[in-house]
Amino acid sequence: SQKIEQNSEALNIQEGKTATLTCNYTNYSPAYLQWYRQDPGRGPVFLLLIRENEKEKRKERLKVTFDTTLKQSLFHITASQPADSATYLCALDMGNTGKLIFGQGTTLQVKP
Amino acid sequence: KAGVTQTPRYLIKTRGQQVTLSCSPISGHRSVSWYQQTPGQGLQFLFEYFSETQRNKGNFPGRFSGRQFSNSRSEMNVSTLELGDSALYLCASRYSSGANVLTFGAGSRLTVL
Repeated sequence: SQKIEQNSEALNIQEGKTATLTCNYTNYSPAYLQWYRQDPGRGPVFLLLIRENEKEKRKERLKVTFDTTLKQSLFHITASQPADSATYLCALDMGNTGKLIFGQGTTLQVKP
Repeated sequence: KAGVTQTPRYLIKTRGQQVTLSCSPISGHRSVSWYQQTPGQGLQFLFEYFSETQRNKGNFPGRFSGRQFSNSRSEMNVSTLELGDSALYLCASRYSSGANVLTFGAGSRLTVL
């Protein structure tokens, strides 16, 4: 079955630095790969989606890369701010099924 | 545009009881999915409904069931509750076909004693 792994340990960085989060998966590549942000006590919020034929996607301070050979996605937050502190989830999306396979999430803490 | 609304937000039940959770999707969204989130297992897919039909189901026992109404509102039911059913139950809706970009509700936090 499809498996997905994110760094289970929390990531602590200083304000202004770039945070890089990793998402690895096994087996076949998804049609899309998505990233969500989740704050305590809230539902996940969609951030970015990247298609299997795309290498990189950007949105403001966020950048996602997708390497289907390595079966890996990297999520970058540049010029990080304390408000970026949250848990970030990656999800495999096979397309039009309503089902996402989520990683366990990586908790990011940005210190002032 | 109102977001995805879930009720109740918090509830406490005892083992053996049953519970019904409700979800109102974003207006115009016809697909509703349900997920269970626990610290140990993370977010796990329960099922998806589209136009009142269950289209996909995750690996959960038959105690977990759901339905969708003609106005796209959805309910999920868990019967014969077990301690391990304590979790955050999240509902999500989506509009288009293709990519599953989901809009989640805030969740219903279920505690089973």
